[in-house]
Amino acid sequence: ETGVTQSPTHLIKTRGQQVTLRCSSQSGHNTVSWYQQALGQGPQFIFQYYREEENGRGNFPPRFSGLQFPNYSSELNVNALELDDSALYLCASSPPGLTGELFFGEGSRLTVL
Amino acid sequence: DAKTTQPNSMESNEEEPVHLPCNHSTISGTDYIHWYRQLPSQGPEYVIHGLTSNVNNRMASLAIAEDRKSSTLILHRATLRDAAVYYCIRNSDDKIIFGKGTRLHILP
Repeated sequence: ETGVTQSPTHLIKTRGQQVTLRCSSQSGHNTVSWYQQALGQGPQFIFQYYREEENGRGNFPPRFSGLQFPNYSSELNVNALELDDSALYLCASSPPGLTGELFFGEGSRLTVL
Repeated sequence: DAKTTQPNSMESNEEEPVHLPCNHSTISGTDYIHWYRQLPSQGPEYVIHGLTSNVNNRMASLAIAEDRKSSTLILHRATLRDAAVYYCIRNSDDKIIFGKGTRLHILP
């Protein structure tokens, strides 16, 4: 069984640029959540997608957007990058039903210069 | 807002039990309590979750107070590989919201 995979693992951007991060969910999982983790902090909830629809959002501005595809993979897009966007971006998938168990990928580390 | 309170850090000796406390005094009747941990340079890992009754699995035990305002994660025999940040989470509306967690140090 393939776990959650994210790409790229590391990337560097400059202020004002745009970035797309990708996530392949674990087989059979129809819900994907995205988190931002700054150095030394806990993961902050960005949003969650269920069956291609956003069904929950944390305290992040609209320049953070996402997509979920029919195969349940997902993208996180961030426009107009700011220095404070430098962080580890984590994707997690979860299976149908209220099991409450999230399966996380290893993350994409974004550095904004 | 994570709405849980945990100590910033704890220490334990290897091969001894560890009790990690969590307060969630404003928990509602339908909120599950989840625990995740994050090892260095890895994504968070699910540990255990429960609603009212105590729960056991291969990784740990979860003891939930009768009034559900607090819970304790129990690692029965800590190893060096258990050194991690442990997050106690209230699952409200099926969303996992992390707090700052407890950094657990294991002493050899």
